[in-house]
Amino acid sequence: DTEVTQTPKHLVMGMTNKKSLKCEQHMGHRAMYWYKQKAKKPPELMFVYSYEKLSINESVPSRFSPECPNSSLLNLHLHALQPEDSALYLCASSRTGVNTEAFFGQGTRLTVV
Amino acid sequence: QQQVKQSPQSLIVQKGGISIINCAYENTAFDYFPWYQQFPGKGPALLIAIRPDVSEKKEGRFTISFNKSAKQFSLHIMDSQPGDSATYFCAASNVARAAGNKLTFGGGTRVLVKP
Repeated sequence: DTEVTQTPKHLVMGMTNKKSLKCEQHMGHRAMYWYKQKAKKPPELMFVYSYEKLSINESVPSRFSPECPNSSLLNLHLHALQPEDSALYLCASSRTGVNTEAFFGQGTRLTVV
Repeated sequence: QQQVKQSPQSLIVQKGGISIINCAYENTAFDYFPWYQQFPGKGPALLIAIRPDVSEKKEGRFTISFNKSAKQFSLHIMDSQPGDSATYFCAASNVARAAGNKLTFGGGTRVLVKP
């Protein structure tokens, strides 16, 4: 199983809503990531979790709040987003160490209205 | 600061032709260089990756060439097929760190293979 599963696939939310994106993998990977991708742009790293601990926060606004409840799950909690936050949010996972092929999920297409 | 520069931005190639995409990096600490393929509405999928101790790696129709002294690497897609039409991203990271694989992506190349 080399799959990273993200839910929901699409999400429309208002600027005052609170919502969560979910990501799950069962490959035994101990590193998990959130990336943001705008149209026709490359993915941009937001957060890295290593062994369920937040190890990298790329200066992401606090309206994005990540959570790693266990080694298989990664959540991204959203609150008071802006229309410019509309993007494809990608989750990825990898082993740690030198053999670190990153597997990406299909993404959640987020629209903030 | 764009640490990985990718060119061209777009590419049109005839079926059976060769697609060539180039990337240059600045950070000499990078030690892992993957290429990803992304179809519209999908997440990126790893195509092939190389480490700086190897100058070339081939997997099927896909070949990475790596020039450590010039800090450049490239992807060659041989015998291009319409199904190869996608956006290709080069990336780089320093995987020696225990925190994981922090990928820095190039700007992407949209490849269109004409039948």
